[in-house]
Amino acid sequence: AQTVTQSQPEMSVQEAETVTLSCTYDTSENNYYLFWYKQPPSRQMILVIRQEAYKQQNATENRFSVNFQKAAKSFSLKISDSQLGDTAMYFCAFMKPDNAGNMLTFGGGTRLMVKP
Amino acid sequence: DTGVSQDPRHKITKRGQNVTFRCDPISEHNRLYWYRQTLGQGPEFLTYFQNEAQLEKSRLLSDRFSAERPKGSFSTLEIQRTEQGDSAMYLCASSARSSTDTQYFGPGTRLTVL
Repeated sequence: AQTVTQSQPEMSVQEAETVTLSCTYDTSENNYYLFWYKQPPSRQMILVIRQEAYKQQNATENRFSVNFQKAAKSFSLKISDSQLGDTAMYFCAFMKPDNAGNMLTFGGGTRLMVKP
Repeated sequence: DTGVSQDPRHKITKRGQNVTFRCDPISEHNRLYWYRQTLGQGPEFLTYFQNEAQLEKSRLLSDRFSAERPKGSFSTLEIQRTEQGDSAMYLCASSARSSTDTQYFGPGTRLTVL
């Protein structure tokens, strides 16, 4: 079974600054996918970024980028130029592709507060 | 593409009552998932459908829980004889045909059992 650990329950950052959220995972699989989802207060979960394990290049989406270290089983999220709208819970998630059920395994989340 | 929708958004019930939630996936998504999220925690997988077939169930899904997806479109999740420990946010997600496709989440149904 896979496990995902987010060691930072809460973080804060000043508007326009950069923040990095940590995520580690444990798996014996070689082919898998990693995700960061954002859940704003009282709003639905939305995808921030995804990384395929077979790709060495780190994924980027505008102000969001990841540092994927496969050997270390680490998958951190960097948010540049933080904005007030980035305030949310952030969840790291692992997925093993499987036609019988490719469910997501989530970490416990990091609550990010962006301060003006 | 209107996104994943869930109904109701909130449900308050008394212990011992039955409740049913509905999820409408993104049109033409044939994979549908249910997750449960307790306060301050990450979501936990409950069950998975590919079209109308329920292919995977978590051990979290006790015999008081049942899920259906009769025509491969919308899905329902029923909880019988609710307990206070069932209080949680119930999330539905859908993805397209491939096992590598991203899952998109609905807004969730928040259940409170008194």
